[in-house]
Amino acid sequence: AQSVTQLDSHVSVSEGTPVLLRCNYSSSYSPSLFWYVQHPNKGLQLLLKYTSAATLVKGINGFEAEFKKSETSFHLTKPSAHMSDAAEYFCVVTPRARDSSYKLIFGSGTRLLVRP
Amino acid sequence: DAGITQSPRHKVTETGTPVTLRCHQTENHRYMYWYRQDPGHGLRLIHYSYGVKDTDKGEVSDGYSVSRSKTEDFLLTLESATSSQTSVYFCAISEESGRPKGNTEAFFGQGTRLTVV
Repeated sequence: AQSVTQLDSHVSVSEGTPVLLRCNYSSSYSPSLFWYVQHPNKGLQLLLKYTSAATLVKGINGFEAEFKKSETSFHLTKPSAHMSDAAEYFCVVTPRARDSSYKLIFGSGTRLLVRP
Repeated sequence: DAGITQSPRHKVTETGTPVTLRCHQTENHRYMYWYRQDPGHGLRLIHYSYGVKDTDKGEVSDGYSVSRSKTEDFLLTLESATSSQTSVYFCAISEESGRPKGNTEAFFGQGTRLTVV
């Protein structure tokens, strides 16, 4: 079975310090992996995606993530946090189903707090 | 922004009443999904569709039904709403463009906040 585990439900950092949001996945197939961000009372926005090309993926707003197959991890990082980064972040895996659809499987989310 | 419209955006209903939520897309994407979002659970898949009249269950489908009679519309129905169905509901769309480079990212609507009292 496919699953996603976000290791921290809350992460708190000071503005200007690095951000690390951790994600581990389990998938029987070669997966596609994504990070989405959700600001309060908003929909979800794609930050970045991995689809079996380069293992280091760059996304919007200075975020990046590295796919490590040996560790089954896809951690999200940013060198310097900004107040506007405060939001909830979701790690998502898309295993391929028998009907060829791509059902998204979400982690439980990590809420990022950025302190002034 | 992807052309996805959810309606209504907010709804309060009484226990035992039927409720239908609508998702409308203008992108002509093949796949459409309904998720619910609850604290501590992320988003959980209710039902999805892989074409007109082709639908299947997700992980939390009990108490919900769906229909897709046109490519652009995907309806979620709560036949008899219960308080446990109070949640925020998100519609999503995606389009497969093949493996191994599958461009399978999904685009989300703004959500519908449903309260069952």
